[in-house]
Amino acid sequence: GAVVSQHPSWVICKSGTSVKIECRSLDFQATTMFWYRQFPKQSLMLMATSNEGSKATYEQGVEKDKFLINHASLTLSTLTVTSAHPEDSSFYICSAIKGGRETQYFGPGTRLLVL
Amino acid sequence: DQQVKQNSPSLSVQEGRISILNCDYTNSMFDYFLWYKKYPAEGPTFLISISSIKDKNEDGRFTVFLNKSAKHLSLHIVPSQPGDSAVYFCAAGLRDSSYKLIFGSGTRLLVRP
Repeated sequence: GAVVSQHPSWVICKSGTSVKIECRSLDFQATTMFWYRQFPKQSLMLMATSNEGSKATYEQGVEKDKFLINHASLTLSTLTVTSAHPEDSSFYICSAIKGGRETQYFGPGTRLLVL
Repeated sequence: DQQVKQNSPSLSVQEGRISILNCDYTNSMFDYFLWYKKYPAEGPTFLISISSIKDKNEDGRFTVFLNKSAKHLSLHIVPSQPGDSAVYFCAAGLRDSSYKLIFGSGTRLLVRP
């Protein structure tokens, strides 16, 4: 199998607070994990690529100081939205790939609402 | 500049008939392509993939066709079932770019009972 989980599935926070989202590969070791965000009725936009033990690679236009990514182990990556603002409200999805494989397996997503 | 395009935002098909979802791309260097199915407020589910060296891949009711000269791929679902109703995304990837995927904008499929 290739199961990816995310926690939490829903989070509501006040503007200015930080929110951490966890992404776990449950039955395989993920050499690489990816973080996406999706706005309503739009496609998935890649935010960053995360390799275990190294710094994440951010896509153009994504603030790395705003969206902190840590990939501490082969089964866990975290995305921290720092000093969240209402415009950060979105659906955040992670994915993971097994070593040398091309298929990305996605988590169920985390909906963030910043008030 | 959209490298992967799904020009049909929606498609409606009668149950039992064939659903054909289309996808066009501009970068001839893509090594592989994937189709994902997505329900609202859920992560995408992997359906089927195809390598750029092939022109067809089949898995049960799902078949993906790749026409490299036209830079076009399609997903055929036959027979279509109401449970297939979802948004379908095609994605393209390059092996030497850390396996990043570029997604199309999605096509919403409705299978009518």
